[in-house]
Amino acid sequence: GAVVSQHPSWVICKSGTSVKIECRSLDFQATTMFWYRQFPKQSLMLMATSNEGSKATYEQGVEKDKFLINHASLTLSTLTVTSAHPEDSSFYICSASQDLDNEQFFGPGTRLTVL
Amino acid sequence: GEDVEQSLFLSVREGDSSVINCTYTDSSSTYLYWYKQEPGAGLQLLTYIFSNMDMKQDQRLTVLLNKKDKHLSLRIADTQTGDSAIYFCAERAWTGGFKTIFGAGTRLFVKA
Repeated sequence: GAVVSQHPSWVICKSGTSVKIECRSLDFQATTMFWYRQFPKQSLMLMATSNEGSKATYEQGVEKDKFLINHASLTLSTLTVTSAHPEDSSFYICSASQDLDNEQFFGPGTRLTVL
Repeated sequence: GEDVEQSLFLSVREGDSSVINCTYTDSSSTYLYWYKQEPGAGLQLLTYIFSNMDMKQDQRLTVLLNKKDKHLSLRIADTQTGDSAIYFCAERAWTGGFKTIFGAGTRLFVKA
């Protein structure tokens, strides 16, 4: 199957700083990428859907100014958590698909801890 | 709105069969999926079934779909300790755009 990587796999930062998480499709071109957030022992919550070259579509309740998403190329999307606070600590997972109707391939996730 | 529900925990003995159940509410679902998540890792697609199918078998995995009752199950035959993980049921439905809705996950614990 197709491979999706995330970097970093974990990050610890101080409250008030910004953190950037990268999601890459390694062997296919991803027109669409999805960003999810997972709280401990809970399901994945879709945060936003991004299409290459256009603005991301955010789910209701997700602050677009806090969670900046950039999908500048067909193999890379980034999620920047701005002015991070301890409540932003979570497991962030991205997925990528060749188009909106195709199977999603998931990255291994990034664990963010904000002190 | 769309909702996917699963039991949260299942414990079985090694060698037994495991059955994980899931119910969903959206009748417009096109595909239904089972994902496996091991600790600290992302999701791995195990299998999927198209909504016009009743059953799909793939080696030790059997998926049953009852579309009338909106009930999906995953049976793992000869469960091994390496099968211990969280299993997510998910439906792909049209809600003004295709979205994948996940259940809360069933934690499978396999006792040796």
